[in-house]
Amino acid sequence: DTEVTQTPKHLVMGMTNKKSLKCEQHMGHRAMYWYKQKAKKPPELMFVYSYEKLSINESVPSRFSPECPNSSLLNLHLHALQPEDSALYLCASSQGTGVLRTGELFFGEGSRLTVL
Amino acid sequence: SQKIEQNSEALNIQEGKTATLTCNYTNYSPAYLQWYRQDPGRGPVFLLLIRENEKEKRKERLKVTFDTTLKQSLFHITASQPADSATYLCAPGTGTYKYIFGTGTRLKVLA
Repeated sequence: DTEVTQTPKHLVMGMTNKKSLKCEQHMGHRAMYWYKQKAKKPPELMFVYSYEKLSINESVPSRFSPECPNSSLLNLHLHALQPEDSALYLCASSQGTGVLRTGELFFGEGSRLTVL
Repeated sequence: SQKIEQNSEALNIQEGKTATLTCNYTNYSPAYLQWYRQDPGRGPVFLLLIRENEKEKRKERLKVTFDTTLKQSLFHITASQPADSATYLCAPGTGTYKYIFGTGTRLKVLA
């Protein structure tokens, strides 16, 4: 069983809606990630928070807004999305990185988003 | 630009044979490389990590090699089983939080 919990598992929204995806981990990890995955493609990095600060933003459109309220929680706020944003959104966490430390990612099961 | 390419999009092999998957990277100097397994509709699951100073790593029926000169990692599954059918992803690690996945290989083990 995964130790990273994502909700909701499925979300259908219109282009004018505002919704949020949530992610929670209780492993004491200090880095949390959002990935987007389209069918038959690898996960694509969107954002990384380390120690609750935004560390990486891979030039993601502003209609996606991440938030890290505390070290266990990660949100992705969605607003004015386009149909092409429909995908599986994966949250992951890791202990932290450094050349001599492992960066094993623990993934949640994902939130399947459909934008109508 | 940085690229991570895995040998083939899909690989079919007979049960009991050894599956060999390739991960080639360019414009990277990874300190380590990770391999993940992903089943349809689920998140990737970590399998193995190999560091730049390690030639080979094993875990049960899995073996990974890492050649920094060739800029390549090979992932082997011996005595493959239909339950090994999945997509396998490699991800070089550079000591930053920027984990980029390779293109992935969909492995199908035929009974």
